[in-house]
Amino acid sequence: SAVISQKPSRDICQRGTSLTIQCQVDSQVTMMFWYRQQPGQSLTLIATANQGSEATYESGFVIDKFPISRPNLTFSTLTVSNMSPEDSSIYLCSAQGLGQNYGYTFGSGTRLTVV
Amino acid sequence: QKEVEQNSGPLSVPEGAIASLNCTYSDRGSQSFFWYRQYSGKSPELIMSIYSNGDKEDGRFTAQLNKASQYVSLLIRDSQPSDSATYLCAGPNFGNEKLTFGTGTRLTIIP
Repeated sequence: SAVISQKPSRDICQRGTSLTIQCQVDSQVTMMFWYRQQPGQSLTLIATANQGSEATYESGFVIDKFPISRPNLTFSTLTVSNMSPEDSSIYLCSAQGLGQNYGYTFGSGTRLTVV
Repeated sequence: QKEVEQNSGPLSVPEGAIASLNCTYSDRGSQSFFWYRQYSGKSPELIMSIYSNGDKEDGRFTAQLNKASQYVSLLIRDSQPSDSATYLCAGPNFGNEKLTFGTGTRLTIIP
């Protein structure tokens, strides 16, 4: 399975500012995914990031709020823009290796607190 | 209706017993399923994947998939306190590759 390095691991940000989260994969992966996990809850998919095309966003998430880049097959960023306290959450990136039956692995997560 | 439903628990099991975790899914076209373990404050860790009907065993873990009944389960034999965590099942959503996660089951192994 792919190994994903995610940073920052945590941050405390002022409302109205933006934070960019980075994920680096140790091998080429076809698709990368960005999730949000509220305390005590399951994972909610924000968007799917494909190399060379715009990200595909899930219902309730928009590009202006969560712009995503995927410049190559090993790297992606998620920006949380114009933050409010409601954006406080854990953000996780995930990647699927080549082939349908390869497992999906996660980065270590970014714990974001907006004050 | 959620695509993946998980018995939400919480579940408490004595040490050494078998813990049984279950999920049902709505998409008959779903091909593969995954079980993740998540310790508090950590990211999910893949522990089992299954894509064929029947059982798949890996050490103390057994994943079971029944496509006719649309359920997937995870059995943990000889439960250990270190197995205490939240377990999440996940499956492809309507045939594409993005994963939909169940709500998770918090498992506590009682020494």
